[in-house]
Amino acid sequence: DGGITQSPKYLFRKEGQNVTLSCEQNLNHDAMYWYRQDPGQGLRLIYYSQIVNDFQKGDIAEGYSVSREKKESFPLTVTSAQKNPTAFYLCASSTRTSGGREQYFGPGTRLTVT
Amino acid sequence: QKEVEQNSGPLSVPEGAIASLNCTYSDRGSQSFFWYRQYSGKSPELIMFIYSNGDKEDGRFTAQLNKASQYVSLLIRDSQPSDSATYLCAVGKAAGNKLTFGGGTRVLVKP
Repeated sequence: DGGITQSPKYLFRKEGQNVTLSCEQNLNHDAMYWYRQDPGQGLRLIYYSQIVNDFQKGDIAEGYSVSREKKESFPLTVTSAQKNPTAFYLCASSTRTSGGREQYFGPGTRLTVT
Repeated sequence: QKEVEQNSGPLSVPEGAIASLNCTYSDRGSQSFFWYRQYSGKSPELIMFIYSNGDKEDGRFTAQLNKASQYVSLLIRDSQPSDSATYLCAVGKAAGNKLTFGGGTRVLVKP
């Protein structure tokens, strides 16, 4: 089956701890994205990567870090510097062709920090 | 002014009726337009995309784009209770693959 997987589905952490969220895709997509969604809100872009070993900050990158060492993987680290880390985190991917900008989402990781 | 605006709803629609959702955007350079459906607690699912002015139909869904007026709409015909969800509008620019999302419209289809 082709798709995007995110793990874990639920994650609980204590304040002050860094945590890494996993995102893997086997769609052969070049571009990958991380979004954050707060209750009753739309999606806000954290980081995105259009090619291996390259990534750019989105609208709310502070307190987050990413890496893109493999085409299939784009892990997100939520650091202790992120002031309000509790949220629903969504990973997406797309092709880079000019006509194929549709983004497809993984199932998400719900992070709770107390 | 938000880049992409949607009425948050809820939009209450009788079963079998047409649900009409609207989305306006501020950047005239926007080139691609998407509608996602998101059930409570789940991730967004792409249901429609449109790149050119006019209408695009797919089953019970029709997307309408008017670049001059900077709005895109989604019509859901013969609404079913299973259409009850939040619908997210997303807008992309020509450069890069970034999308900007609206806050979503919650739709409730009542039997």
